[in-house]
Amino acid sequence: NAGVTQTPKFRILKIGQSMTLQCTQDMNHNYMYWYRQDPGMGLKLIYYSVGAGITDKGEVPNGYNVSRSTTEDFPLRLELAAPSQTSVYFCASSPSGGISANGQFFGPGTRLTVL
Amino acid sequence: QKEVEQDPGPLSVPEGAIVSLNCTYSNSAFQYFMWYRQYSRKGPELLMYTYSSGNKEDGRFTAQVDKSSKYISLFIRDSQPSDSATYLCAMTSGTYKYIFGTGTRLKVLA
Repeated sequence: NAGVTQTPKFRILKIGQSMTLQCTQDMNHNYMYWYRQDPGMGLKLIYYSVGAGITDKGEVPNGYNVSRSTTEDFPLRLELAAPSQTSVYFCASSPSGGISANGQFFGPGTRLTVL
Repeated sequence: QKEVEQDPGPLSVPEGAIVSLNCTYSNSAFQYFMWYRQYSRKGPELLMYTYSSGNKEDGRFTAQVDKSSKYISLFIRDSQPSDSATYLCAMTSGTYKYIFGTGTRLKVLA
């Protein structure tokens, strides 16, 4: 199993550009999450999904959109990139929303810079 | 007041030392407590989790939860240079919402 994969690894965007961060998991997990990690700020939840076709906002959703058409994929869309969106983005998955023996599995991250 | 507080470090210790990492929290609804290890430029990986109060041991790692004090700890025995990483605490009441600490950077010196 590859676990949680994310593409791209790095990206530089100009202000106002759009992009989609890809996330795929092969563990058949129902729950998927998008976080951003800023220095000294911990992980902040952007969006989450409890299953295909169901998504909801997390703590910091402004400027982002998501979709979940399959169990495996959970892409994150930035429509009009702003410098405040410079961050490292992590996708994660878990079997359910509650705790499991394995908690959340994280992808390797996408490092995004908006100039 | 943040829901979860964690000293950012960095914490430098010699190889073989016992390391103590800690988090405090304010929400008494938290029931599940986790520790993640994050190497530089990698995603977090789950090290340990505990439910409610008590201790849990796994090899060189011991997690402790004191719900009465709203305080959790991770102890690393016989620390190794390969333990050098950032350690994140996380907690949840059992829903989708996990609250993460900001992480403590640990350096184990050979």
